[in-house]
Parts: sequence; C-alpha cells; structure tokens
Amino acid sequence: DTEVTQTPKHLVMGMTNKKSLKCEQHMGHRAMYWYKQKAKKPPELMFVYSYEKLSINESVPSRFSPECPNSSLLNLHLHALQPEDSALYLCASSPTPRGRYNEQFFGPGTRLTVL
Amino acid sequence: DAKTTQPPSMDCAEGRAANLPCNHSTISGNEYVYWYRQIHSQGPQYIIHGLKNNETNEMASLIITEDRKSSTLILPHATLRDTAVYYCIVRLFQGGKLIFGQGTELSVKP
Repeated sequence: DTEVTQTPKHLVMGMTNKKSLKCEQHMGHRAMYWYKQKAKKPPELMFVYSYEKLSINESVPSRFSPECPNSSLLNLHLHALQPEDSALYLCASSPTPRGRYNEQFFGPGTRLTVL
Repeated sequence: DAKTTQPPSMDCAEGRAANLPCNHSTISGNEYVYWYRQIHSQGPQYIIHGLKNNETNEMASLIITEDRKSSTLILPHATLRDTAVYYCIVRLFQGGKLIFGQGTELSVKP
C-alpha cells in the first residue's frame, strides 16, 4: 500500500461545529504532516509529527488541534473555525523526518468549507 | 531555507520536452533541490531531488548548474497529463520544512 488516504473528501461545517479530519498511511512512515492550501496558493505547513510526537507547530491557532494516535494515523480536530479557514487540507507522510530518503507523499486532501 | 524563483507560467507542445527553470541563488552547501508537482485538485506529487549532480528517474531529469544557483527540471516528452503546477523547493538534507514557492503553471497543449 503506497497511498496516503484522507477522509472525508469534502466537509462543510458551521462556525460552532466540532469536526475532525483523518489521515492514514500504511507505508511504515514515521513522519506525518498537515498542510493548508488556499485557492491559487501553494501549500503551507501547519504541523509535523515525528515518531508520533509533535515536532513542529507553525504558530497555528488553537482552534486546530492535531493528534497522532499511532504511527499510521493522523487526525486534525477542528473547533470554532472561521470562514477564512476554508481551504484544502493536505496530509503527507515521509519515511523519516530527516535524511536523504524523506520525500513526502501527499494525500488527495479534504476540501473544507466553513459557513 | 533558501528561497526559489520560478516563472509563473509556461506552455509546452505535447510530445516536446518541457524545460522548467528555477533560480535558488542563496542555496547553501547542505541544501537539496526538490521538485514536486500538483495536478488540479490533487495533492502534490514528488518528482525528483538532487544535491549537485544531475539526476534522472522515470519521470524527469534534474540539471543543476555547477555553482548550484539554478536548476532545470526536464520532462522529456510532455503529455497532456503533465499539465500541473510545478514547485521547486530548497530544503536541508537534515530535514527541514518543505516551503512551497509560487510554482510554475505548466500547460501542455495538443
């Protein structure tokens, strides 16, 4: 299995809702990432998990809460989002967080709309 | 991480080679050049990376100048499915973030 899967593909939520995005990989990768991509813009890194521990938080607002329950799974919990948080949320994984063979493999993304 | 500069858009005829340039004049000795592409509404896809030697794989070739201040990604026989945004990224060998620049939107035309 050489895929990164993300669910759901699309999500519409109100500003008072709580929802979660899910990302899964079965490649044995030990680093996982969350990116945010607004329309017509490049992806921007949000969080990095290395060996199931949060290693990088790019000053992301606390209404986004990441979680890595095990080495194959990465969640992004959403609460009290704003309409400007509407974007494509991309998950990625890499064999290791460092070194030569750390190419990142991306999932197809979850398109989030906040009303 | 060093910044990169790419042309915002390029066209290429189907079947011809697509040569995508990238400037990274502030690159340091321990930074690699990576290329990714993003086809519309999909996640970015890794293409190739290199340090100072030219590299080739089944998707593309990467030519890095001797002073390492610029590089060119070559798709030898472009197809319509190669239409995408191509990102050139410089990152540390020891890890470091993938910081995407604005990229080049490549349109392959029949």
